[in-house]
Amino acid sequence: AQKVTQAQTEISVVEKEDVTLDCVYETRDTTYYLFWYKQPPSGELVFLIRRNSFDEQNEISGRYSWNFQKSTSSFNFTITASQVVDSAVYFCALLGGATNKLIFGTGTLLAVQP
Amino acid sequence: GAVVSQHPSWVICKSGTSVKIECRSLDFQATTMFWYRQFPKQSLMLMATSNEGSKATYEQGVEKDKFLINHASLTLSTLTVTSAHPEDSSFYICSSRGSYNSPLHFGNGTRLTVT
Repeated sequence: AQKVTQAQTEISVVEKEDVTLDCVYETRDTTYYLFWYKQPPSGELVFLIRRNSFDEQNEISGRYSWNFQKSTSSFNFTITASQVVDSAVYFCALLGGATNKLIFGTGTLLAVQP
Repeated sequence: GAVVSQHPSWVICKSGTSVKIECRSLDFQATTMFWYRQFPKQSLMLMATSNEGSKATYEQGVEKDKFLINHASLTLSTLTVTSAHPEDSSFYICSSRGSYNSPLHFGNGTRLTVT
């Protein structure tokens, strides 16, 4: 079975702080993709990153960085020097190769205070 | 870039009526379409997966006779909520892709309110 766990329901930080959002996944598939999406209050999903199971290289994109570790089945997301505009719900998601289903975690609500 | 157009963005209907939500891929052929439902402050729950020309595969607990999914072409999939009730009020989002390795593209969602 596939499962994505985001243990942090809500996180509140002050602007310019760094924050890490945790994501732990479970799958029996050997080939799979992991994603992070941002959902602002308006509701649309904003794609942030896709990582396939064979690529464990960490990635940095501006203030965003991702740490993928297959040994711990984790795909954590760090925002450096957070800004108020980063306030949103962030979802981690898993697309299994065999199951062909995109499953979302429960999301983490990030509130960045000015 | 690729865009998925979901329409309507919001709809209010009376209990007992049916509502159709459209999801169009504007510049790519959507082989697979996913339909999700999201209650306030909750995650996106997968309702069904459809492949063009085939019947949709519904997740456990989702009534296929209530949530009719049609994926008759490579650019259009529809979700019809039949005989809607207030408990069907939710945010519905579609997602589509070409091949398995293709990026997933999401519509902007439809907020359904049943009175």
